[in-house]
Amino acid sequence: EPEVTQTPSHQVTQMGQEVILRCVPISNHLYFYWYRQILGQKVEFLVSFYNNEISEKSEIFDDQFSVERPDGSNFTLKIRSTKLEDSAMYFCASAGTSGRLGANVLTFGAGSRLTVL
Amino acid sequence: DAKTTQPNSMESNEEEPVHLPCNHSTISGTDYIHWYRQLPSQGPEYVIHGLTSNVNNRMASLAIAEDRKSSTLILHRATLRDAAVYYCILSDLYGGATNKLIFGTGTLLAVQP
Repeated sequence: EPEVTQTPSHQVTQMGQEVILRCVPISNHLYFYWYRQILGQKVEFLVSFYNNEISEKSEIFDDQFSVERPDGSNFTLKIRSTKLEDSAMYFCASAGTSGRLGANVLTFGAGSRLTVL
Repeated sequence: DAKTTQPNSMESNEEEPVHLPCNHSTISGTDYIHWYRQLPSQGPEYVIHGLTSNVNNRMASLAIAEDRKSSTLILHRATLRDAAVYYCILSDLYGGATNKLIFGTGTLLAVQP
């Protein structure tokens, strides 16, 4: 079964450092997402990406965050200057091609755990 | 986004059926009902979705009330591996440009051997 692959599985970084989390979505999918989950809390939407641009972002996704699909396969989330409160599990997801968007199923990766010290 | 209400937790015994309820009284005519689950230390995983009719797949069944204001996820024989947080989420058929899913707190299902 096709999978969404995320790397690294765990990253430890110092506050103020830049971090890039990588995702390889399912190959024929067109919609891409980043979510995060702080330990013990809900899964929170960060950003969606379609047709090479951000289609929607949440309040959490401020100027410190950016996303990119540099080569048509990878989908990256960059945090420019990490803060302690960025420590969380970050999940990438992708969804397929249906024009009936509400029927689309999201496939999530296993996540990247970010620890900011 | 239309809201859903689920019990915080439920318990089941292994090999027994489990019925996980979800209320969505403000559902609109174009909202799909999705169920995802999150096993411990894993990403969310799709379980099932439907619009109006009941749905079955290899993982579960989805029973949708006639007025669509509630639904029930049915696991026919719970296994220990089914212990997870189950999320009931509404997603607009025409989704704007994003089709994002908004997760609530879900129902934590414990399965006893």
